[in-house]
Amino acid sequence: GAGVSQSPRYKVAKRGQDVALRCDPISGHVSLFWYQQALGQGPEFLTYFQNEAQLDKSGLPSDRFFAERPEGSVSTLKIQRTQQEDSAVYLCASSPRTGPTGANVLTFGAGSRLTVL
Amino acid sequence: SQQGEEDPQALSIQEGENATMNCSYKTSINNLQWYRQNSGRGLVHLILIRSNEREKHSGRLRVTLDTSKKSSSLLITASRAADTASYFCATVTDRGAQKLVFGQGTRLTINP
Repeated sequence: GAGVSQSPRYKVAKRGQDVALRCDPISGHVSLFWYQQALGQGPEFLTYFQNEAQLDKSGLPSDRFFAERPEGSVSTLKIQRTQQEDSAVYLCASSPRTGPTGANVLTFGAGSRLTVL
Repeated sequence: SQQGEEDPQALSIQEGENATMNCSYKTSINNLQWYRQNSGRGLVHLILIRSNEREKHSGRLRVTLDTSKKSSSLLITASRAADTASYFCATVTDRGAQKLVFGQGTRLTINP
């Protein structure tokens, strides 16, 4: 596609519900990232995929957060038993580059805004 | 946790003036990038400067990097109302990590 597409754009969940957020990266982009952005803050890294392999999940705040990218393209971020502190914008980004010295310039989606009541 | 700190947190200037934002970071880097975010939107890449570069230009943007002070600055010249947005610096460490680590951002308001 022309850009990174995320859905839903807005999600309201009751505390305790499970949610799934979808990311369609740019076609052919190898790297995919998830970030969490609280209101008025900078994006915080959650997890990183290279193709279908989840190479870094050090930013996932708890075991309630799970991400997958089974075929190396579309990715889903799942949050189980949502809590109010999970309310944030979840940003997905993709990049064509890999390698330790590659300049990872990210293309971001518009984000999914999650509100937990 | 976030690597960088932007300064100031908020900046309000008149259209036509220059805007300068600063970013400090903690660990050694491979490169530093600046991104812009309009309200309710995703981030857009503006410019990248590598650790062995000291200055870079792109249109009305000028970025400097001082690795000895672990700091960078973004200058927007001849500001326009459309430049109103939040600006974030992001670093890639030189340890082979792929992730970008973002600062807290500077909220820039250009008054017409």
